[in-house]
Amino acid sequence: GNSVTQMEGPVTLSEEAFLTINCTYTATGYPSLFWYVQYPGEGLQLLLKATKADDKGSNKGFEATYRKETTSFHLEKGSVQVSDSAVYFCALFGGSGGYQKVTFGIGTKLQVIP
Amino acid sequence: SAVISQKPSRDICQRGTSLTIQCQVDSQVTMMFWYRQQPGQSLTLIATANQGSEATYESGFVIDKFPISRPNLTFSTLTVSNMSPEDSSIYLCSGGQGVTTGELFFGEGSRLTVL
Repeated sequence: GNSVTQMEGPVTLSEEAFLTINCTYTATGYPSLFWYVQYPGEGLQLLLKATKADDKGSNKGFEATYRKETTSFHLEKGSVQVSDSAVYFCALFGGSGGYQKVTFGIGTKLQVIP
Repeated sequence: SAVISQKPSRDICQRGTSLTIQCQVDSQVTMMFWYRQQPGQSLTLIATANQGSEATYESGFVIDKFPISRPNLTFSTLTVSNMSPEDSSIYLCSGGQGVTTGELFFGEGSRLTVL
C-alpha cells in the first residue's frame, strides 16, 4: 500500500534559519503530494501541493518539489519565523482499483526560537 | 475553503461507555472523512462518511465500534462505542470537494481520554 515517511522531530531552529523537512513516499501510479500544517490550537490546513513530477508547490515562503526519481517531496523555507512554529505533515493522494485516499506521514514538529 | 466545527473539543470518558462526536461544516461538501491521530502517530483514516448510506470503513475499523452517520452534506457524527483506554486519541473530521483532488480541510479535532 501507499506510505509516507518524514523526518521525526522536533526540529528547533533559530529565527531566519533555513528549513528542510524531508519526506519520501511509496505509492503505485502517480500520486498527488501535499504538505499540511497544524498551528497550535488549530486544525490541519493545506500548505502546498504538487500534482505531477517536477511540479513545485509554494505558499507562504515554503516550497516543495515533486521528485519522482527519488520519490521525495522535501519542504523548504529560506528564512523561518517564530510564527512558522507548527506541526508539518507530508501526505499523498493516490490508490489503486478506483479507490483513492489521502495517506499522511507522522508529522514533524517545528519550533522556531527568536 | 469551508470551516469545520467539531464538538466536543475534548472529553474524559469511562471505560465501557460510548461517546458521539459531531462535525458541522459551514457549506456543502462532497466528501467527509473521519481520522484518528494516536499519540506519536500519523493520521489514520477510519472511514468515509457517505451521505444517506453506510460509511465505508478502512481495514481494521468496523461499524459496530465506530458507527458513523451523515444525514446531509454538511453534518456527520462519529460514535466511539464501548471505549477502552486504547481508544484515547484525537479524532478528526475532514471534508473535501470532489473525489479526485485529495485536498482536505479539517476541524480542530476532538481529544478523547478514556480512563
